[in-house]
Amino acid sequence: AQSVTQLGSHVSVSEGALVLLRCNYSSSVPPYLFWYVQYPNQGLQLLLKYTSAATLVKGINGFEAEFKKSETSFHLTKPSAHMSDAAEYFCAVSDRGSYIPTFGRGTSLIVHP
Amino acid sequence: DGGITQSPKYLFRKEGQNVTLSCEQNLNHDAMYWYRQDPGQGLRLIYYSQIVNDFQKGDIAEGYSVSREKKESFPLTVTSAQKNPTAFYLCASSPLADTQYFGPGTRLTVL
Repeated sequence: AQSVTQLGSHVSVSEGALVLLRCNYSSSVPPYLFWYVQYPNQGLQLLLKYTSAATLVKGINGFEAEFKKSETSFHLTKPSAHMSDAAEYFCAVSDRGSYIPTFGRGTSLIVHP
Repeated sequence: DGGITQSPKYLFRKEGQNVTLSCEQNLNHDAMYWYRQDPGQGLRLIYYSQIVNDFQKGDIAEGYSVSREKKESFPLTVTSAQKNPTAFYLCASSPLADTQYFGPGTRLTVL
C-alpha cells in the first residue's frame, strides 16, 4: 500500500519569502501525484498534478512542484509567499489504474506579514 | 456549471439519531468517495463507489452506510452506531486515477 509523508504539520513563512512544502511517497513505480489546497471550512481544490509528463509541474497561484524519482519526492514550492496562500496543503498519490488515492496528513501554511 | 454539491453545510445530531448527508455531482464521474476530516488527521476514507449499485468500505466504515442508486448521487448515513461523529465530511468524485473534485463539505456536530 502507498504511504505519503508530509514533513511538518505547520510551516511558517514571512510574506515574500520562499514557500517549500515537502512530500515523500513510498511507491517504487512512479505514481500519479497531486497537491491540493484547502481554505478554512471549504473542500479541497487541485493545485497541480504529475502524471508522467514533465517532471517540473506548474500549477495555479504561482505554485510548482518537481517530481524526483530518485528521492521519491514531490515537494511544492512558490518563490514568494502571499498572505492569501495561508491554508492547509495536502499531497496525494494514486497508483496507476487505481481509484483510491492516499493523502498525506496535510501541512498548514502560515504567512506572517 | 459542472460541479459537486453537498448539503446541508451544517448538521446537528442528537444522541441515538441517524442523519444523512447528501452528495450530488454532474461531472459524469464514475467514482465517488466520502472522507472524514478531523483536526491534524488529514482525510480518512469512509466509503467509495466505482459504479452504480456497488460500493466498498474504506478505512473507517464502521457506523456509516451509503447507497449508490444513481451515478450522480452518493448519500452517506451516519448511524447511531458511530460513537464520535463530530467531524467535517467531504464528498468527492473522480475519473480513474485522476484529480478528485471535492464538494464544499458538511460539518456535523453531536449535541
